[in-house]
Amino acid sequence: QKEVEQDPGPLSVPEGAIVSLNCTYSNSAFQYFMWYRQYSRKGPELLMYTYSSGNKEDGRFTAQVDKSSKYISLFIRDSQPSDSATYLCAMSAHGNFNKFYFGSGTKLNVKP
Amino acid sequence: DTGVSQNPRHKITKRGQNVTFRCDPISEHNRLYWYRQTLGQGPEFLTYFQNEAQLEKSRLLSDRFSAERPKGSFSTLEIQRTEQGDSAMYLCASSLTQEGAYEQYFGPGTRLTVT
Repeated sequence: QKEVEQDPGPLSVPEGAIVSLNCTYSNSAFQYFMWYRQYSRKGPELLMYTYSSGNKEDGRFTAQVDKSSKYISLFIRDSQPSDSATYLCAMSAHGNFNKFYFGSGTKLNVKP
Repeated sequence: DTGVSQNPRHKITKRGQNVTFRCDPISEHNRLYWYRQTLGQGPEFLTYFQNEAQLEKSRLLSDRFSAERPKGSFSTLEIQRTEQGDSAMYLCASSLTQEGAYEQYFGPGTRLTVT
């Protein structure tokens, strides 16, 4: 079993929809949670990060962490065609924050 | 451009040849990371440096792989005697040491194709 699981999609939504992207994990030591966006053949771009549990909002993006369920989410409001990309979750553990564990990524397609 | 840069962006090589990639991190970042990403997968951790010291290596980093960061600035990743299984995107990232600032910023990657 991988330490971080992420549905690969693809997820196809109409422009303006609310998108929900999720990851589950098995290591209860994970404390630091990140979401990256990756366009085809490019490097990952950091979108948001949260420490421990709770919510964080940045513009159209909201990240949620539920440590009791070992479940994290990224919500995108008013989705745009430019949001079409692969979204990767990443996390690291207390005591070794430098070693990131990534999900396999969810491919999102926002149709105009 | 003040982001992470990587060179070359693409490399095609024949099996058995040696290749070397370079990464220039964000200038004030003292931590530098190498990852490998294959199609349809997330990046997999290979190794990381704090300044010039290599502090951790993944078991994915076989004896054919070596990474250096000689002056604590740029880093190189060398693969000797390349194999077709080495074909992947090699990503470099950098971060600060500062407490609470663990987020890593990635470069555009070097895509390696071994024929």
